Amino acid sequence: GQQVMQIPQYQHVQEGEDFTTYCNSSTTLSNIQWYKQRPGGHPVFLIQLVKSGEVKKQKRLTFQFGEAKKNSSLHITATQTTDVGTYFCAGNQGHGSSNTGKLIFGQGTTLQVKP
Amino acid sequence: EPEVTQTPSHQVTQMGQEVILRCVPISNHLYFYWYRQILGQKVEFLVSFYNNEISEKSEIFDDQFSVERPDGSNFTLKIRSTKLEDSAMYFCASSILPTGRSEKLFFGSGTQLSVL
Repeated sequence: GQQVMQIPQYQHVQEGEDFTTYCNSSTTLSNIQWYKQRPGGHPVFLIQLVKSGEVKKQKRLTFQFGEAKKNSSLHITATQTTDVGTYFCAGNQGHGSSNTGKLIFGQGTTLQVKP
Repeated sequence: EPEVTQTPSHQVTQMGQEVILRCVPISNHLYFYWYRQILGQKVEFLVSFYNNEISEKSEIFDDQFSVERPDGSNFTLKIRSTKLEDSAMYFCASSILPTGRSEKLFFGSGTQLSVL
C-alpha cells in the first residue's frame, strides 16, 4: 500500500538555527498537506500543496512539493521556541470527488528548540 | 473558529469491554473521519464517512470497529471488544469536501483510550 516516509524523526536545534523535514511518498500524490502537533495536542493544519514544483511560504516556513509530486519538504528559518512540536506531512493519493479522504501521514519530525 | 469536539477526553476500560467514542464535527462539514495515534507514533487513518455510509476504511478497522451518525450532529466510533493494542489517542476529524479535493482536516482534541 501507499507509504509516506518522513525524516528525520527528531531534530534538536539552537534557537535561531534553521530546520528542515523531508517527506517521500511511494506513489504519486494528488496533494500533500502539512500539520503541526504541539506536545499533548492535536494535529493542526498548516498548508496544502497541489501543483508539481509548488512552493509556498508562511512567514518563516517554506513548503515545497516536488516535480514528480512524490516528495515534499518543510523548512523553518531562524527557529523560535514557539516552533516546538511534531510536524507531519500527509499525502492524498486520490483525485477529485472519487477520493474518500484517506490521508496517509508520515511518521512526523519532532522539533526541539533550545533557547 | 469552529471546532470539532470529542468526548470523553480520557477513557479507561477493561480488555473485552465495549467503548463508544463520541465526536461532534463542525456543523457544515460533510466528511467525517477517525484517526488514531499510538503514543509517540504517526497518525493512522481508520475510516472515512460520508452521506451516512463508510467511504473507505483501513486494515486496522476490522469487524470490532463500527461508526455511526445517530443524529444530525454526533459521529461515534464503537469498539466492540477492546484489546490491549487498541490503547491510543483517537482523533475525530471533519472536512467540508473530501481531502482528494485538497480539503484540509479539522481535528478534535482526541480521546485517550487506555485498555487495561
